Amino acid sequence: GAGVSQSPSNKVTEKGKDVELRCDPISGHTALYWYRQRLGQGLEFLIYFQGNSAPDKSGLPSDRFSAERTGESVSTLTIQRTQQEDSAVYLCASSHRTSEYNEQFFGPGTRLTVL
Amino acid sequence: AQKVTQAQTEISVVEKEDVTLDCVYETRDTTYYLFWYKQPPSGELVFLIRRNSFDEQNEISGRYSWNFQKSTSSFNFTITASQVVDSAVYFCALSEAGPTGANSKLTFGKGITLSVRP
Repeated sequence: GAGVSQSPSNKVTEKGKDVELRCDPISGHTALYWYRQRLGQGLEFLIYFQGNSAPDKSGLPSDRFSAERTGESVSTLTIQRTQQEDSAVYLCASSHRTSEYNEQFFGPGTRLTVL
Repeated sequence: AQKVTQAQTEISVVEKEDVTLDCVYETRDTTYYLFWYKQPPSGELVFLIRRNSFDEQNEISGRYSWNFQKSTSSFNFTITASQVVDSAVYFCALSEAGPTGANSKLTFGKGITLSVRP
């Protein structure tokens, strides 16, 4: 597909369980971002990958959150021992490396509900 | 630290009215980028515009126009002759130039919910 894709679109889990969220960026986009959007709120930055550079993890809210990216392709966001406050829409975005442009293209998001 | 403030939380207008969405930003960088995104009820974020800090020219695209003023750190968005399809949440965002150039995280405002009534 032409856009950023994310899976699953919806995830319901029980408190204490681990979850994995997947993001497929636009082909050729070297930068990949994860954001979280709580109900009625703006987007909060979580983590940023740029090529082979060390990721910017400054937005991860706790050590229960981690993310990986293989090369310039798929990324997985993992939340361990989920809590109810983790319930949110998790959005992934990708952008091209070219310095002229910083337009981030967003996926449809994964709605996570922690019971 | 960078910050984006969208003081308006909800705006309701009647179709064909003009409406302006305000955005005020804070950053210590001299090079930065400003964005507006639209989030319709479907939830997917739609890119509307990007401006860099060196270009203060206002821009018009159809019914949309943007007013960037560095002196007041504002980047306001006006919809002329609003339509029901404009109903959405609108986010203003700021990005500082990262170490590799322009790619850097976005700092978002809390969003403005615009409702356009027929």
